[in-house]
Amino acid sequence: TQLLEQSPQFLSIQEGENLTVYCNSSSVFSSLQWYRQEPGEGPVLLVTVVTGGEVKKLKRLTFQFGDARKDSSLHITAAQPGDTGLYLCAGAMTDSWGKLQFGAGTQVVVTP
Amino acid sequence: KAGVTQTPRYLIKTRGQQVTLSCSPISGHRSVSWYQQTPGQGLQFLFEYFSETQRNKGNFPGRFSGRQFSNSRSEMNVSTLELGDSALYLCASSLGGQPVRETRYFGPGTRLLVL
Repeated sequence: TQLLEQSPQFLSIQEGENLTVYCNSSSVFSSLQWYRQEPGEGPVLLVTVVTGGEVKKLKRLTFQFGDARKDSSLHITAAQPGDTGLYLCAGAMTDSWGKLQFGAGTQVVVTP
Repeated sequence: KAGVTQTPRYLIKTRGQQVTLSCSPISGHRSVSWYQQTPGQGLQFLFEYFSETQRNKGNFPGRFSGRQFSNSRSEMNVSTLELGDSALYLCASSLGGQPVRETRYFGPGTRLLVL
């Protein structure tokens, strides 16, 4: 059983559309990170959020950390084919010493 | 600067054999953590080393072990391989001082196939 539940598992959209990926848990995390992984590569960090209610924007990507630090979302505006990939959320707890709890991932496919 | 290096990139082994995977972190990084990625279970934490000491360990059997050397390079070993050990093994490198929020840099992984 995953500590972090991601939804949806799969998203296929057209270029220019918006999308949102959700990451939920019943546990409180000290921080939440979002990664993107492409085939044959390791995950690449997109953002780290640490404060409940925090919102971070990176160009067309918006990340939110829930007030209770149990959930997070990733919103992409005007998706592009280059946004295609496996999006993973990962939570860290206090004294976790390098241990990240990963969600199962959301496979996003953006077609031209 | 050079990224995280993992060797070998691909491995084929048979049941009962053992295997050693290597991870070279980014220069200056003292923490190396290991993850197993499978389609069914996703990324699962194996263990984390900082300055040659294991700081945390995941819920894997004792067949999975690791170590870290004084130059921060790390190895993981899997003994008595089982079919279910087939996976992508990823290592992540970080400074290690703020494990809750610091940036981790993942290597490309070693893909292990057990026949």
